[in-house]
Amino acid sequence: DQQVKQNSPSLSVQEGRISILNCDYTNSMFDYFLWYKKYPAEGPTFLISISSIKDKNEDGRFTVFLNKSAKHLSLHIVPSQPGDSAVYFCAASHFSNTGNQFYFGTGTSLTVIP
Amino acid sequence: ETGVTQTPRHLVMGMTNKKSLKCEQHLGHNAMYWYKQSAKKPLELMFVYSLEERVENNSVPSRFSPECPNSSHLFLHLHTLQPEDSALYLCASSQGGGAYSPLHFGNGTRLTVT
Repeated sequence: DQQVKQNSPSLSVQEGRISILNCDYTNSMFDYFLWYKKYPAEGPTFLISISSIKDKNEDGRFTVFLNKSAKHLSLHIVPSQPGDSAVYFCAASHFSNTGNQFYFGTGTSLTVIP
Repeated sequence: ETGVTQTPRHLVMGMTNKKSLKCEQHLGHNAMYWYKQSAKKPLELMFVYSLEERVENNSVPSRFSPECPNSSHLFLHLHTLQPEDSALYLCASSQGGGAYSPLHFGNGTRLTVT
């Protein structure tokens, strides 16, 4: 059973506009949420995170929003740039007695059109 | 050298071969992970080592055998693999112990089993 879902496999956005990537999760035990960016032939790169005690975290052009009641998080990129074109993975984590467990979505491929 | 380094980047092996994947992290982290990425699937956790002890084995077939000699090095020994094991294998590290610490990934080994 997939605990983290990204229902949009792809997204195209015009340069300069806002990109909004969405993610849903099912496990209410998750307390730490992350976004990763992946270019072809490279490993995922950590982008931004948020803990469950917050509902928003901002880092430059990137903002992550968390709606715990809806079990939903989103990543906003504004303004979008062609270099942002990549696959974006959402991840969620909770601590257990066997260590931190990370669960990933299937990714959304973002294309920013110049 | 910084970050997480994986070797080799590409590997082609027959079903009767034995090979090993290597991972090294230079981040001072105390937890290391092996993930498998197959097309159209979320990243699948294979193994977790925390403080050099294996704490997770998600029912991975025994033809995959991990080894963690110290907190900076992680190996994945492969033998008698199947064609369906062809995938991108990603190593990651984090600062475990309950802290809100993201995973840092290497660039992966693209494995093809013929």
